[in-house]
Amino acid sequence: QKEVEQNSGPLSVPEGAIASLNCTYSDRVSQSFFWYRQYSGKSPELIMSIYSNGDKEDGRFTAQLNKASQYVSLLIRDSQPSDSATYLCAVEGVGRRALTFGSGTRLQVQP
Amino acid sequence: DTAVSQTPKYLVTQMGNDKSIKCEQNLGHDTMYWYKQDSKKFLKIMFSYNNKELIINETVPNRFSPKSPDKAHLNLHINSLELGDSAVYFCASSHSREAEIPNTGELFFGEGSRLTVL
Repeated sequence: QKEVEQNSGPLSVPEGAIASLNCTYSDRVSQSFFWYRQYSGKSPELIMSIYSNGDKEDGRFTAQLNKASQYVSLLIRDSQPSDSATYLCAVEGVGRRALTFGSGTRLQVQP
Repeated sequence: DTAVSQTPKYLVTQMGNDKSIKCEQNLGHDTMYWYKQDSKKFLKIMFSYNNKELIINETVPNRFSPKSPDKAHLNLHINSLELGDSAVYFCASSHSREAEIPNTGELFFGEGSRLTVL
């Protein structure tokens, strides 16, 4: 079982719709969760972090965490073509001092 | 002013050769990493250094040897290159916060070094 799992996609949504990206993780004691965005040929950049159960909103982005279900998601409201990228879920375990990444979900926002 | 810089950005070489990738960060971070991203976009930790001390050494062949001369630099030397070493290698840095959550602060990535082994 992979430590961090994501559907590779592509996830295709029309412009203006809500894009929902999901991630599950295997280490029950993981404590910190991150979403990185990676444009083709570029390096990953952090867009959201979440540490507590529930929702965290930042502009058009909402991260949701459910530790009991070992599940973290990212919602992108009012999706724009510029949101088309690969979204990487990353998890930090206790004492790990490094992030474990999923293989990413490719999002395509159709104009 | 580049925060995390890697050189070279592109590297094409023959099997069996030895090559190095250099990384420097000017963010004042105390922790640096090498990640490998394969053709399926899977980003996998290879090594991590905190204040020049090796703290993570994943299951990586001995042909890969990191070196951190100071906490602003982390280089990667690869001996006897193989076809399977072809990938994009990302250097990253962060400010480690041991007593806090998260322990690992935001990772700042370099632009990546695309290695192609022929």
